[in-house]
Amino acid sequence: EIVLTQSPGTLSLSPGEGATLSCRASQSVSSRYLAWYQQKPGQAPRLLIYGASSRAIGIPDRFSGSGSGTDFTLTISRLEPEDFAVYYCQLFGTSHPFGQGTRLEIK
Amino acid sequence: EVQLVESGGGLVQPGGSLRLSCAGSGFIFGSYWMTWVRQAPGKGLEWVANMKQDAGEKYYVDSVKGRFTISRDNAKNSLYLQMNSLRAEDTAVYYCAREGTMINAFDIWGQGTMVTVSS
Repeated sequence: EIVLTQSPGTLSLSPGEGATLSCRASQSVSSRYLAWYQQKPGQAPRLLIYGASSRAIGIPDRFSGSGSGTDFTLTISRLEPEDFAVYYCQLFGTSHPFGQGTRLEIK
Repeated sequence: EVQLVESGGGLVQPGGSLRLSCAGSGFIFGSYWMTWVRQAPGKGLEWVANMKQDAGEKYYVDSVKGRFTISRDNAKNSLYLQMNSLRAEDTAVYYCAREGTMINAFDIWGQGTMVTVSS
């Protein structure tokens, strides 16, 4: 069973700064199946990135994804107030595991 | 508008049963794999079960095998989750989600329905 580990657990930044969130898989995975979601308090998750680097419909271009093998990154350039949320990576496939999440909070 | 709306959550005693429903609209429901994901209070996301378009394949996370049953009625654009022998650890918000066809991800999510298992 593949395990996804996200880091850091919490990231404290200010609006306007850039954010880098990491997702590491316990073994090499195809980037075709790596997705990122954003979840705000009291809301359902929202798909941001699929295939490691493709933005979902309606997602601003300040969100970008990259990576391959075991290491994947979600980058948010120029943080907006609405970007402060919890972010999850996910491996789409058998058992569809999620990472434990990174909380992005306002500094 | 593409939409998923869950219903059926509530408070149930340990050992009890509950049936969740998810109604889809704005898309051809029968063309998509559908899935259930849950989130315990203050915790992360956990995939629970999914089902192929024609209901010919279904899969479950180990912790619910033998207790939960996923089903669908494409004529009613609906997905279901029958939950039996409920345990305290099943307490969570349950989301239904659409599995994208060309997108290897859950591209549409419902707002969720809360299930509380407590005496």
